[in-house]
Amino acid sequence: AQSVTQLDSQVPVFEEAPVELRCNYSSSVSVYLFWYVQYPNQGLQLLLKYLSGSTLVKGINGFEAEFNKSQTSFHLRKPSVHISDTAEYFCAVTTYSGAGSYQLTFGKGTKLSVIP
Amino acid sequence: DGGITQSPKYLFRKEGQNVTLSCEQNLNHDAMYWYRQDPGQGLRLIYYSQIVNDFQKGDIAEGYSVSREKKESFPLTVTSAQKNPTAFYLCASTPDSLSTDTQYFGPGTRLTVL
Repeated sequence: AQSVTQLDSQVPVFEEAPVELRCNYSSSVSVYLFWYVQYPNQGLQLLLKYLSGSTLVKGINGFEAEFNKSQTSFHLRKPSVHISDTAEYFCAVTTYSGAGSYQLTFGKGTKLSVIP
Repeated sequence: DGGITQSPKYLFRKEGQNVTLSCEQNLNHDAMYWYRQDPGQGLRLIYYSQIVNDFQKGDIAEGYSVSREKKESFPLTVTSAQKNPTAFYLCASTPDSLSTDTQYFGPGTRLTVL
């Protein structure tokens, strides 16, 4: 079964500093990769996704992520964070689970706290 | 505006009672999903439905039931058999059930068992 590991449960960072949120997954076979963001007491919304092509993916709010197949990683980065980026971020991976079905597996989340 | 609505936002239940959480979408999506979110646990799939009148168990279906009588609606019932129902419940939908689909989430319902 696919597993998704978000290495940091909490990341504090000062405003305007860069940030990297790390995500590793267990299988490199035909995966599709997603990052979602969740603001307090709300649902999740898509930040970006990697399906194929360029390994550097740009998303909303200035975030980007790089797919690294050899390291089975999909780390999320932003060069300069804002207070409004304070939220929980989830990495998710889709893999084929057989019989025409796909399994979407979420990581446990990383809480980003931006300090003024 | 198209989207997913979940109601109520907060729900309190006494132990031993069944409770039904509502999920409605006007996105004309075929597939719908229910997730449970606990602090530090990420999202875990309870049930999903790829088409009307059909649904499958997810990873943690025990103590839950669903129905999909209409394309727009996918209610979740938390039964008294669910040992630890206090959690944040999220409903989502996708246009199809393709691996590349983005999941569209509702705002969630926070269930507390008293």
